[in-house]
Amino acid sequence: RKEVEQDPGPFNVPEGATVAFNCTYSNSASQSFFWYRQDCRKEPKLLMSVYSSGNEDGRFTAQLNRASQYISLLIRDSKLSDSATYLCVPTNFGNEKLTFGTGTRLTIIP
Amino acid sequence: DVKVTQSSRYLVKRTGEKVFLECVQDMDHENMFWYRQDPGLGLRLIYFSYDVKMKEKGDIPEGYSVSREKKERFSLILESASTNQTSMYLCASSRSLNPPYNEQFFGPGTRLTVL
Repeated sequence: RKEVEQDPGPFNVPEGATVAFNCTYSNSASQSFFWYRQDCRKEPKLLMSVYSSGNEDGRFTAQLNRASQYISLLIRDSKLSDSATYLCVPTNFGNEKLTFGTGTRLTIIP
Repeated sequence: DVKVTQSSRYLVKRTGEKVFLECVQDMDHENMFWYRQDPGLGLRLIYFSYDVKMKEKGDIPEGYSVSREKKERFSLILESASTNQTSMYLCASSRSLNPPYNEQFFGPGTRLTVL
């Protein structure tokens, strides 16, 4: 099983809709998670950190399911500017390296 | 704001050339990283450094070397560039290797083409 698995998409979603995608991870010791967004031909930028069961920041909600070892990202009232690739990154104490998922590509359609 | 800068946005080199990619961060971060990113393969770690003059191999170090002579600067060296090293190279830095300060901040990337 890969360390991090994401549905590559693309997810094509109409503007204003709600969209959610999952990220599964294999290391049960993963304690915290990052969601990064990466625009086309740009660098990844941190969207959200998750240190407990979840986190919410405006239209974005991350929910962690430790029993099933996945974390989801939900985007409400999607905007055209949300079009990007979303990278999931599990992290744990003592692991020096971050393993980035290959990302889920999201396109918001007008 | 953390700022990570990379010396070039685009670079074209010939097979066999020695290539230097420079990265500078201005937030006094201990840790610096070099990744390459290819379609369908995601970000792959080449090397990282947790202190001046210290380096650790990542997942794909073959064909690359690094140098960290100053805390703020981390260089990636391709001793003899090959066409399979054509890629987007991303530098990153972080305050810590452990949560909760292990968020990585990325530079804008260097798109390297080897002909």
